[in-house]
Amino acid sequence: GAVVSQHPSWVICKSGTSVKIECRSLDFQATTMFWYRQFPKQSLMLMATSNEGSKATYEQGVEKDKFLINHASLTLSTLTVTSAHPEDSSFYICSARDQGSWVGYTFGSGTRLTVV
Amino acid sequence: RKEVEQDPGPFNVPEGATVAFNCTYSNSASQSFFWYRQDCRKEPKLLMSVYSSGNEDGRFTAQLNRASQYISLLIRDSKLSDSATYLCVVNAVGRDDKIIFGKGTRLHILP
Repeated sequence: GAVVSQHPSWVICKSGTSVKIECRSLDFQATTMFWYRQFPKQSLMLMATSNEGSKATYEQGVEKDKFLINHASLTLSTLTVTSAHPEDSSFYICSARDQGSWVGYTFGSGTRLTVV
Repeated sequence: RKEVEQDPGPFNVPEGATVAFNCTYSNSASQSFFWYRQDCRKEPKLLMSVYSSGNEDGRFTAQLNRASQYISLLIRDSKLSDSATYLCVVNAVGRDDKIIFGKGTRLHILP
């Protein structure tokens, strides 16, 4: 079945630094991937849609210059949190859908970011 | 009205009982519906898609009522391992391949 790999699983960084999170579709190609953020006891909130070979589409209220998305290949999308602040601490999850099968949306295992 | 609404719970249910969740959606043009399960501090995992005619997978039954714009999930003979948050998911009409999550319903199965 469709597998999405996300790395790292968790990361602790200092305020002001940047963190890159990778999302890979392992056994299928994904022209579109999605990035979500989830705060404790809250729902998943879509941040942006990553499009292979073109610019990402950001949801309202999400700063594109702060959350840089690159989707350079059909199997890899990256999210870079730039100049991280403690309020960016959250659970970041990517997802993709294998268009060739009806398995819904597959999620990466998530990245727990803590900014200190 | 929110795009996808769920009762947040928590539902505290004794083991072996039957529990039902409902979810309402606002856009009558929505076409794809799913139930996902999310364990604490983990990613969501697809539990089942919801088809127009209703569908069953073991102890789980999903129903869709287009007229009233709600979907339901029924869990029979609940197990301790069913404790999780159940997320109702609906496709975002006219927004490419996006999906919208409800806030989830927390379920605690009591021994």
